[in-house]
Amino acid sequence: DTAVSQTPKYLVTQMGNDKSIKCEQNLGHDTMYWYKQDSKKFLKIMFSYNNKELIINETVPNRFSPKSPDKAHLNLHINSLELGDSAVYFCASSFYHRDRGAYEQYFGPGTRLTVT
Amino acid sequence: GNSVTQMEGPVTLSEEAFLTINCTYTATGYPSLFWYVQYPGEGLQLLLKATKADDKGSNKGFEATYRKETTSFHLEKGSVQVSDSAVYFCALSERAGNMLTFGGGTRLMVKP
Repeated sequence: DTAVSQTPKYLVTQMGNDKSIKCEQNLGHDTMYWYKQDSKKFLKIMFSYNNKELIINETVPNRFSPKSPDKAHLNLHINSLELGDSAVYFCASSFYHRDRGAYEQYFGPGTRLTVT
Repeated sequence: GNSVTQMEGPVTLSEEAFLTINCTYTATGYPSLFWYVQYPGEGLQLLLKATKADDKGSNKGFEATYRKETTSFHLEKGSVQVSDSAVYFCALSERAGNMLTFGGGTRLMVKP
């Protein structure tokens, strides 16, 4: 059973195009995320979202926008793609361990975006 | 703000060698600490975690102890295998927070 899935796995597109990456989780988690991993493997949070609240990393350009049609999905839309957007994008979801006071996150397999 | 610093890689070891990957952090309050592993071509998997000072997280022979006094969470394994070759990420989240702050990752290469 796939816990967190993303489509597509690879995405090659030209500068200026608009594209979307889809994410689905079947874990029943309340919170979902998007992370960006650059060519040096550095990982950075982009968004955190649950049904009530969207938290945006202030460094993310407004060309990036998350869309959540329902609790199990959080898609990433990117407008006017730029060369620097080339990276691997990871979706994740989490639940909250009340007794441990911590969230535990599960990651999808990633989508490698290449902008030419 | 929060930050996580890991030793730079790659770390190259022979099979059955002892592994230590250093991780130190800066955070307000009492964060939860995590180690994630990324095998080639795959997403991140949670390896272990600790949520309060002196907690020891362990999984698959890996261990890390939450040291508040030194703000560290070093990853150790007594005897590495070729299959442990991967990139390891140290991360933190603020207590009751939900976004992870990652270190830069450390690539481990284990040779037979």
